[in-house]
Amino acid sequence: GAVVSQHPSWVICKSGTSVKIECRSLDFQATTMFWYRQFPKQSLMLMATSNEGSKATYEQGVEKDKFLINHASLTLSTLTVTSAHPEDSSFYICSAPDGLKTEAFFGQGTRLTVV
Amino acid sequence: GESVGLHLPTLSVQEGDNSIINCAYSNSASDYFIWYKQESGKGPQFIIDIRSNMDKRQGQRVTVLLNKTVKHLSLQIAATQPGDSAVYFCADRPHGSGTYKYIFGTGTRLKVLA
Repeated sequence: GAVVSQHPSWVICKSGTSVKIECRSLDFQATTMFWYRQFPKQSLMLMATSNEGSKATYEQGVEKDKFLINHASLTLSTLTVTSAHPEDSSFYICSAPDGLKTEAFFGQGTRLTVV
Repeated sequence: GESVGLHLPTLSVQEGDNSIINCAYSNSASDYFIWYKQESGKGPQFIIDIRSNMDKRQGQRVTVLLNKTVKHLSLQIAATQPGDSAVYFCADRPHGSGTYKYIFGTGTRLKVLA
């Protein structure tokens, strides 16, 4: 089946630094990818839609300058958390649809801890 | 689904019994629904889906029921096993929002008791 891979699986960074998370579709091309955020014991909240070759579309309340998204190729989208603060600590998950299938496939998630 | 950021409700089921997990969605224009399973520290995994023109769909040990009148979705798991312990989310796709843009429900934690 289709595979979506995220890297890193977990990261700890100091407050004020930036962190980049990668999302790759391994065996299919994805012109669109989605980034979610999940706090402990809560649901997934859609942050933004990543569009290959164009600007990302952000959900209401999500800071564009805080969460930079780049979708430079058909198999890679990156989410950069800039000037990270402890409140940015969360589980970040990406998903990518395989155009041949109906459902979207999810990465394994990235646990970000800002200290 | 309508994610409201609440703590997850928990369903405890004896191993071998059937489980029923419920979900309410808010957008009457949603045309596609999915159930996902999420194990601790992992991303969601697809379980089963259903389109709005259907009332019921069956998979292996799982059945999804859709009641559009009351905007309710349920997931039935037959002969629940320890490996079924996870958090289950329903997700719906508002019509016209983009093919794969899903809105996740609050989620239910399923605990299987030995």
